[in-house]
Amino acid sequence: NAGVTQTPKFQVLKTGQSMTLQCAQDMNHNSMYWYRQDPGMGLRLIYYSASEGTTDKGEVPNGYNVSRLNKREFSLRLESAAPSQTSVYFCASNPPNTEAFFGQGTRLTVV
Amino acid sequence: AQSVTQLDSHVSVSEGTPVLLRCNYSSSYSPSLFWYVQHPNKGLQLLLKYTSAATLVKGINGFEAEFKKSETSFHLTKPSAHMSDAAEYFCVGHRGGADGLTFGKGTHLIIQP
Repeated sequence: NAGVTQTPKFQVLKTGQSMTLQCAQDMNHNSMYWYRQDPGMGLRLIYYSASEGTTDKGEVPNGYNVSRLNKREFSLRLESAAPSQTSVYFCASNPPNTEAFFGQGTRLTVV
Repeated sequence: AQSVTQLDSHVSVSEGTPVLLRCNYSSSYSPSLFWYVQHPNKGLQLLLKYTSAATLVKGINGFEAEFKKSETSFHLTKPSAHMSDAAEYFCVGHRGGADGLTFGKGTHLIIQP
């Protein structure tokens, strides 16, 4: 069982470059999330999607866009990367009222 | 305001001694509370979850947590620490919907030989 799959695992960008982080889940969950993890901050919610075609801003959405084109996939786009977006990014999905399942993370460095 | 508060950023114990990682939560998170563990450069693994059944919840690797509504606490314990327990631990609340999961800031557990 693949669970939640994120790509890429590592990425280095120059300031101003754009990129898309991909996430796919095979558990038929409606809810999917993007978090970022920074030292001493825990994980903070960037965007949330309750179902295909719907998205909502989380705690730290600035500088990001998302797309939920189908039930399986939820992508996160950085249009113009900034050093402040250097972080580890996690995608997650969950059924109602129970634990979330996380991808393995994407370590992004913006120089 | 929603919050999950981990009271210690670092905890250091000797191998073989008990572990206590403290977490307080705001009442709006009842009944969904979780503990996750993250080993260095790894993803997040669920240790245990509370979803309004028994107040004492047993998890993997000998960990357990007790939900205390009167104290709004969900502390994680283990009777005897092992070197492999060294990791970052997150207490997490879930209210559902656009709130997603709310993470505490993490407790770094250090195991001394």
